[in-house]
Parts: sequence; structure tokens; C-alpha cells
Amino acid sequence: DTEVTQTPKHLVMGMTNKKSLKCEQHMGHRAMYWYKQKAKKPPELMFVYSYEKLSINESVPSRFSPECPNSSLLNLHLHALQPEDSALYLCASSQDVPAGVDNEQFFGPGTRLTVL
Amino acid sequence: QKEVEQDPGPLSVPEGAIVSLNCTYSNSAFQYFMWYRQYSRKGPELLMYTYSSGNKEDGRFTAQVDKSSKYISLFIRDSQPSDSATYLCAFNTGNQFYFGTGTSLTVIP
Repeated sequence: DTEVTQTPKHLVMGMTNKKSLKCEQHMGHRAMYWYKQKAKKPPELMFVYSYEKLSINESVPSRFSPECPNSSLLNLHLHALQPEDSALYLCASSQDVPAGVDNEQFFGPGTRLTVL
Repeated sequence: QKEVEQDPGPLSVPEGAIVSLNCTYSNSAFQYFMWYRQYSRKGPELLMYTYSSGNKEDGRFTAQVDKSSKYISLFIRDSQPSDSATYLCAFNTGNQFYFGTGTSLTVIP
């Protein structure tokens, strides 16, 4: 199984709503990532979890709150978002964060988020 | 200077053409070199990766790395309409991934 799954596929929310994005992988990977991708732009790294601990936070606003309940799951909790936060949110995983020849990232299909 | 430069295109070629996609980079700490393909409204999919200078071939795809010039390329032979997508170069220092802006490719039947 070389798949990263993400739910939901699409999400529309108001600025006062609280919602969560979910990501799951069963490849035994110990590093998991959240990226944000705007249209016609490359993915921008938001967070990195390594061995279920937050290792990188790329100065993301606190209205985005990541959570790693276990080694297979990664959540992104959303609260009080702004319309400019509308984007494709991608989850990815890799064997580990340090360099290695097998350290490819596998991406999920993304959640298309629209903030009204 | 940006760490990664990639021509966004768009690039249109007839079916069967050879496609050349390129990226330049400035960070000497980059150790791994990758190409991702991303179809519209989908997540990126890893196509090729390498960690040494030279060529790596996989079917119709060839990845080329020139560390001395800080330049990587992806060649697609006998291009097909199904190759129409955005191609992102990516680099890994070992701790973080850096993506190019992506090149939009359309292969016309």
C-alpha cells in the first residue's frame, strides 16, 4: 500500500466555523507533512511531524493547528479562517525526515478548501 | 536569487515530440533531485528521483542532473496526451523539500 489518503476531498466553510482535515498513511512512514497549494503555484510547506512530534512549523498562523494522534494519522484543525486561506491542502509522508535514498515523499490527493 | 528557478510555461507540443523541462538551483545543500507530475486538482506524484550527477532513465522519462552547473532536466520521449500536466522539480536538503514553480505541459493529439 503506497497510498496517502485525505478526507474530505472538498470543504466549504465560513469564517466562524471549526473544521478538520484528515490524512492517513499505512506505509510505516515516520514523517508527515502539511502543504498549502494555491492555483498555479508550487506546494508551500506548513508543518512537518517526525516520529509524531512537530519538528517544523513554517510560521503558520495559529488558526491552523496540526495534530498527530499516531504514526499513521495527521490532522489539521481549522478555526476562524480567512477567504485567502482557500487553497488545496496536501498531506505527504516519507520514510523519515533525515536524508536517505528511500526518502521520497508520497502525496495525498489533497482537500480543496473554500472559505466564504 | 531564488533557490529554485523553473520556467512556468505553458509549453505545448505535438504528440510524439521530445519534451525538455529544466530547473536551476542555487543551494549547494541540495542532495536529492526529484521530478513530480501533478494533474489538475490532484496531489503531486513522484516521477523520478536521483542523488548523483548524470542520467537516470525510466521508460520514456530521463532525469539528468549536472551538479557543477546546478541544473536538472527531465526529458519525455514520444510524448502522449496523457502526459499533459504540471511538472514540478523538487530538491531535498535532507530536512526540507523545495519545489519549483512547475511547468505546465500540454501534449496535443
